[in-house]
Amino acid sequence: SAVISQKPSRDICQRGTSLTIQCQVDSQVTMMFWYRQQPGQSLTLIATANQGSEATYESGFVIDKFPISRPNLTFSTLTVSNMSPEDSSIYLCSVKGLASNYEQYFGPGTRLTVT
Amino acid sequence: GDSVTQMEGPVTLSEEAFLTINCTYTATGYPSLFWYVQYPGEGLQLLLKATKADDKGSNKGFEATYRKETTSFHLEKGSVQVSDSAVYFCALSTGGGNKLTFGTGTQLKVEL
Repeated sequence: SAVISQKPSRDICQRGTSLTIQCQVDSQVTMMFWYRQQPGQSLTLIATANQGSEATYESGFVIDKFPISRPNLTFSTLTVSNMSPEDSSIYLCSVKGLASNYEQYFGPGTRLTVT
Repeated sequence: GDSVTQMEGPVTLSEEAFLTINCTYTATGYPSLFWYVQYPGEGLQLLLKATKADDKGSNKGFEATYRKETTSFHLEKGSVQVSDSAVYFCALSTGGGNKLTFGTGTQLKVEL
């Protein structure tokens, strides 16, 4: 499976500011995704990061709030914009590799606290 | 839409006890089914998977069988260890696996 890293691993931010989270994979992958895990809850898909084009967002998530970039097959960023305390969550990237049609592998997550 | 229902936790067991965590699903089409595990302070790890009816996924002593007739994918382990303490998530994907739908997670605590 691919080795996935995320930066930062955690951060404490003030409301109204923005944070960009990076996801780096050690091999080329076909698909990259961003999930949110709110405190005590399950994971929810935010969007699919598409290489060279706009991300595909799930219902309830919009580009102005969560802009995503994917400049190549191994790297993606998620920005959480104009943050409020409700954005306090763990944000995880996941990848689906070239060798598998079904499996997704997850990064270690970024724990965000908004004060 | 697709959904996954898991038994609520926390589940507390003594070491060497038998474990069952129930998972049922609702999906259009024929989903692939997964169990993920999240150890304290760590990220999500794929534990096992099954991609068609009657398939049995297994890993690290854990097993789950894809039961289409009961739309279930229950996780079992014959003898749990303290190191198995974690949160377990059941999940499904349809249409090529691009979107994972997760259950709410079940926290397992194993005591000596």
